Amino acid sequence: GAVVSQHPSRVICKSGTSVKIECRSLDFQATTMFWYRQFPKQSLMLMATSNEGSKATYEQGVEKDKFLINHASLTLSTLTVTSAHPEDSSFYICSARDPARGDTEAFFGQGTRLTVV
Amino acid sequence: AQSVTQPDIHITVSEGASLELRCNYSYGATPYLFWYVQSPGQGLQLLLKYFSGDTLVQGIKGFEAEFKRSQSSFNLRKPSVHWSDAAEYFCAVVSKGDDKIIFGKGTRLHILP
Repeated sequence: GAVVSQHPSRVICKSGTSVKIECRSLDFQATTMFWYRQFPKQSLMLMATSNEGSKATYEQGVEKDKFLINHASLTLSTLTVTSAHPEDSSFYICSARDPARGDTEAFFGQGTRLTVV
Repeated sequence: AQSVTQPDIHITVSEGASLELRCNYSYGATPYLFWYVQSPGQGLQLLLKYFSGDTLVQGIKGFEAEFKRSQSSFNLRKPSVHWSDAAEYFCAVVSKGDDKIIFGKGTRLHILP
């Protein structure tokens, strides 16, 4: 199947700093990518839909200014956690669909474990 | 709004025993349904999916699921589990129109030796 790569897999940062997470579709072009957040032993909560060449669509309750999403190309979306705080510590996962496959199956990245100290 | 319910937070079965993980959905039309598996600290892997047609769907790793419209269910089954099946399992439905994937809360599967 199609491959989605996330980087980094783990990151530790100090409170107040910003962290960028990359999501790449390696062998297909994705006009839309999705960013999820997963708390320990919880389900995946959709944060935002990233659209290539336009602004991301955020879910209710997600701070746009805190979680900056950029989808600059058909193979790359980035999530920047700005002014991170310990409560932002979580597992972040991206997903993308391959429109050429003609179905709605989503492929997921490996996830990024963010720890804010 | 679409929703997915996985009533069991934890399931424990013995290695070699059969398994059924429950999933119920709320959706106005025929949904697109998925089962994903997540190992600790990892991303999600698709086990199987249902879009239309045969209501019994075969997936990877010996898993299957049956779509039952009358019960709004899409339960995951495996005839004989292996220790490597211990993981978190998520049922999901696609929200048509905006293509969002809505996940259930997940069921953690424990395997007894």
